[in-house]
Amino acid sequence: ETGVTQTPRHLVMGMTNKKSLKCEQHLGHNAMYWYKQSAKKPLELMFVYSLEERVENNSVPSRFSPECPNSSHLFLHLHTLQPEDSALYLCASSQENLLAGRDNEQFFGPGTRLTVL
Amino acid sequence: GQQLNQSPQSMFIQEGEDVSMNCTSSSIFNTWLWYKQDPGEGPVLLIALYKAGELTSNGRLTAQFGITRKDSFLNISASIPSDVGIYFCAGQLVETSGSRLTFGEGTQLTVNP
Repeated sequence: ETGVTQTPRHLVMGMTNKKSLKCEQHLGHNAMYWYKQSAKKPLELMFVYSLEERVENNSVPSRFSPECPNSSHLFLHLHTLQPEDSALYLCASSQENLLAGRDNEQFFGPGTRLTVL
Repeated sequence: GQQLNQSPQSMFIQEGEDVSMNCTSSSIFNTWLWYKQDPGEGPVLLIALYKAGELTSNGRLTAQFGITRKDSFLNISASIPSDVGIYFCAGQLVETSGSRLTFGEGTQLTVNP
């Protein structure tokens, strides 16, 4: 596997279900991100992990719970979601190198298309 | 959060035509990135720009980092049907925000054969 992978690619769940999205990066990066992409809206940053520490949480409801067990893996645990949570959930990774000032680009996975019934 | 102004929002062109899209911001960036997203997929990085005034090409794609550090454009020459997708610009200011990206709203490109 190369780059950033996400599983599952598609997920349909009821409002009372509990599910998890998985992301794995094979790039040796030290930062990982979760984004939500809804139709007709810009990408919304949800969570940022740098060196396995959560450094940003953009007012995301508690029904979304991230977990970063190591620098290569990122999970998004879902429970009691609402229909408006249906969206494409994208994972990304980057190598944060503030001293270099460059080569901090984010690379995205293919996303998980989530439908909440 | 902060957003970039990306235009146009959509374009409908004939195969073979050239395309131009741009992004402007009220604040400066030290990196501009251009991504393309196909339906049902994640954004794929096309071009990265690191220096004001820099002009970079990737095949039929050319992008420039504006001198003021507040704008960037992307040109696609001799468009083909597989150029269809959504193109996003994104800015980074590494000194203050690390790898965080500020995204434009995207340009939806349709190419008619």
